[in-house]
Amino acid sequence: AQTVTQSQPEMSVQEAETVTLSCTYDTSESDYYLFWYKQPPSRQMILVIRQEAYKQQNATENRFSVNFQKAAKSFSLKISDSQLGDAAMYFCAYSLSQGAQKLVFGQGTRLTINP
Amino acid sequence: GAVVSQHPSRVICKSGTSVKIECRSLDFQATTMFWYRQFPKQSLMLMATSNEGSKATYEQGVEKDKFLINHASLTLSTLTVTSAHPEDSSFYICSASLVAGVSEQFFGPGTRLTVL
Repeated sequence: AQTVTQSQPEMSVQEAETVTLSCTYDTSESDYYLFWYKQPPSRQMILVIRQEAYKQQNATENRFSVNFQKAAKSFSLKISDSQLGDAAMYFCAYSLSQGAQKLVFGQGTRLTINP
Repeated sequence: GAVVSQHPSRVICKSGTSVKIECRSLDFQATTMFWYRQFPKQSLMLMATSNEGSKATYEQGVEKDKFLINHASLTLSTLTVTSAHPEDSSFYICSASLVAGVSEQFFGPGTRLTVL
């Protein structure tokens, strides 16, 4: 079975600084997707970024980028120029690539932004 | 973008009663919907996968007779918590996948269930 591990229950960063959230996963599959979701206090899940395993290039979305290390099964999220609105729970998630597949979530990391 | 709604957003019920939660994809057709449960300060745990027109697939440890799931159309799935007990109190979240099968899920805003 696939598992996702986030070893940092909480992280904090100064506004405008950069922070990296860690995620590791375990799978025997070669084709899959990895995601970072943000859950603010409203509890609405918001997709931050997605990475297809077959792509070697790391995904980037504005201030958010990932470091995808397939061999190491590592998928970290870097947030640059942190903003107060980035404060939230961040969940790393995995799914198989074919069709509508269920998501397996990590435990989450609570990110605090210090003004 | 793809929007998913849930109704109600909050519900309080007495122990022993049943509660129905609706999940709708508002601007797209979803062949597959998922139901998650989230306890306070914890992650999302998948309860079941719901496919339109067929029986839901439940995750191990989830009681199918207690958590009834119906996916009658491409835009609506319902979760009914039968004979609710206080331990069923939780935050329930649904998500929906596009018909084309792209591996991306769109989440509803969640329903907070409190069983007294």
